[in-house]
Amino acid sequence: DGGITQSPKYLFRKEGQNVTLSCEQNLNHDAMYWYRQDPGQGLRLIYYSQIVNDFQKGDIAEGYSVSREKKESFPLTVTSAQKNPTAFYLCASTPPRDRTNEKLFFGSGTQLSVL
Amino acid sequence: GQNIDQPTEMTATEGAIVQINCTYQTSGFNGLFWYQQHAGEAPTFLSYNVLDVLEEKGRFSSFLSRSKGYSYLLLKELQMKDSASYLCAVSGVDSSYKLIFGSGTRLLVRP
Repeated sequence: DGGITQSPKYLFRKEGQNVTLSCEQNLNHDAMYWYRQDPGQGLRLIYYSQIVNDFQKGDIAEGYSVSREKKESFPLTVTSAQKNPTAFYLCASTPPRDRTNEKLFFGSGTQLSVL
Repeated sequence: GQNIDQPTEMTATEGAIVQINCTYQTSGFNGLFWYQQHAGEAPTFLSYNVLDVLEEKGRFSSFLSRSKGYSYLLLKELQMKDSASYLCAVSGVDSSYKLIFGSGTRLLVRP
């Protein structure tokens, strides 16, 4: 079955530690996104990538880094510079640009907490 | 800047009808999405409006007015399982792929 896989489901970070959240898709989608969601809030865009080897900062990129070496994979690293990382992280993708079909396909999310 | 507004919370009774409003002011607009999100889960797609029409899909309908920067999601015959957050999102902001989300409306359906 095609879809987006995020791992792990739950992740704990110690002070000063970098952690990496995995996102893999087998939908052959070009564009991929990382969103952060805080309790009771909407989604805020961290980074997005439209093609391999290219990515753009979203609205809250500070303290995060990404890579897009393969079309299928878009890992997110939460660095020690991100002082308030506790949140629900969602990875998403969209098909090749088509104005009749722009909807996001979401992974199941990763809940990151600070120890 | 970009601005998408939704009510924070709404409460309705099982079997009733509820309308969730969304207003937006963005630099660029292709279309407007509605997503449903249960606690701790990923959002699921409900509707996508590009034109000023009422889109109906079962118990859910969505309406868009591009001239007024306004949309609503209408839920009929409410069921307990409809208790969730409903997210409004705009595409085409700054001519890019990205979606900009509102803060979401938490809907509580009571028996």
